[in-house]
Parts: sequence; C-alpha cells; structure tokens
Amino acid sequence: AQSVAQPEDQVNVAEGNPLTVKCTYSVSGNPYLFWYVQYPNRGLQFLLKYITGDNLVKGSYGFEAEFNKSQTSFHLKKPSALVSDSALYFCAVRDRFNAGNNRKLIWGLGTSLAVNP
Amino acid sequence: NAGVTQTPKFRILKIGQSMTLQCAQDMNHNYMYWYRQDPGMGLKLIYYSVGAGITDKGEVPNGYNVSRSTTEDFPLRLELAAPSQTSVYFCASSYPTPEAGETQYFGPGTRLLVL
Repeated sequence: AQSVAQPEDQVNVAEGNPLTVKCTYSVSGNPYLFWYVQYPNRGLQFLLKYITGDNLVKGSYGFEAEFNKSQTSFHLKKPSALVSDSALYFCAVRDRFNAGNNRKLIWGLGTSLAVNP
Repeated sequence: NAGVTQTPKFRILKIGQSMTLQCAQDMNHNYMYWYRQDPGMGLKLIYYSVGAGITDKGEVPNGYNVSRSTTEDFPLRLELAAPSQTSVYFCASSYPTPEAGETQYFGPGTRLLVL
C-alpha cells in the first residue's frame, strides 16, 4: 500500500539555524513527490516537487528537498530558518504510473515547524 | 487569475441542516478535489473529479455528495449535517501533465461548525 510518513509532529529551530523536516514514502513504482506549506488559517500552498532529473529540488522561499531513492526519503531543508517559516508542512506522493482514477496524492499528516527568534 | 475560490469562509449549521460548499477555479484544470482537514489528522480526500460529468469517491465520502456540471465548478453538498462533519474543507484543482506531476492548487478553505 502507498503511504507517506512524517515522523515528527513538531520541529523547533532557532532563527538563523538550518532546518530539516523529514518525509519518507512507500510506493510500488517511481514517485512524484511534493511539499506543501500551510500558514495559519490559510489553504495549502505548493512549495516544491520532484518529478524527474536532479535529486536536489529547489523551491519557493529558499526551501529545497533531496530525493533519496535508496532511503525512500524526500526531506525538506532550508539553510537558515526565518520566524516567518513557522507553519504546517505537508509531504505528498503519487506513483507516477497510476492511471485513471488512481491518480490521487497520498498525504502525510503534517509537521508543525516553529522557528524561535 | 483568481485561482481556486471557496464560499462561504465560515458557516455554523444545526444538526440535520443541509448546505452546499461552493468551489470554483479559473485555471481550466480538469481535476478537482474536496478534502477535509481535522486537527492532527492531515488531509482526507472526500470526493474528486477528473472532468465535467465525472466524479468519484475518495477516502471519506459518507454524508457528502458532489456534482461537476462544468469544468470550473465543483460544489460539495452536505445533506444532513452531523457534528462529525465539523471540519475545515478545502477544494483543490490540478492539471495532469507529466511535467506538472499534477501539482494541486488549493482554495482558502471553508470552516464548518455543526452544533
């Protein structure tokens, strides 16, 4: 069965320090991988995605993520955290070979990131 | 482009009442989705549509109905509201191409309270 795990409910980091939000996945084939961010009382916003090519993907607001096929991971990273990065982060995956009505994203439960000044 | 819009932003319903949550997108996306988000539970897919006239159930469809008469609109209907339907509802849309990987674009959400 396809699944996504975000092993940390909450991540705390000091402003200016690097941050990592973890995501591991399980799909039967090759994945499309996504990160979304949700600020308080807002809808989800697309942050970045891995489709193919370079394993290091760069996205919005200075975020990046590295696709690691052997570890089935897609961790989100940022070299220097900002207080304004505090939000809820969701990882999502889809098996790229799913067709028709199976073309749905599988979502993680989310990780709450708190960046302290 | 307005993107994905949802109305209302907030609604209080009494048990047994019905209502329709509206969702519209102006990006000509053929895929549309309804999710509910409960604290600590992530996103649960209620219904989705791959095009006008085509809808299918997601993970938690009970108590809800949808229709897709146009590409732009994807309303969600609650027929007999129950307290368990208290949640935040998000509509999303996407355009399925290999390059896009079906990136989903979300509306701002509707907060529903059933008392």
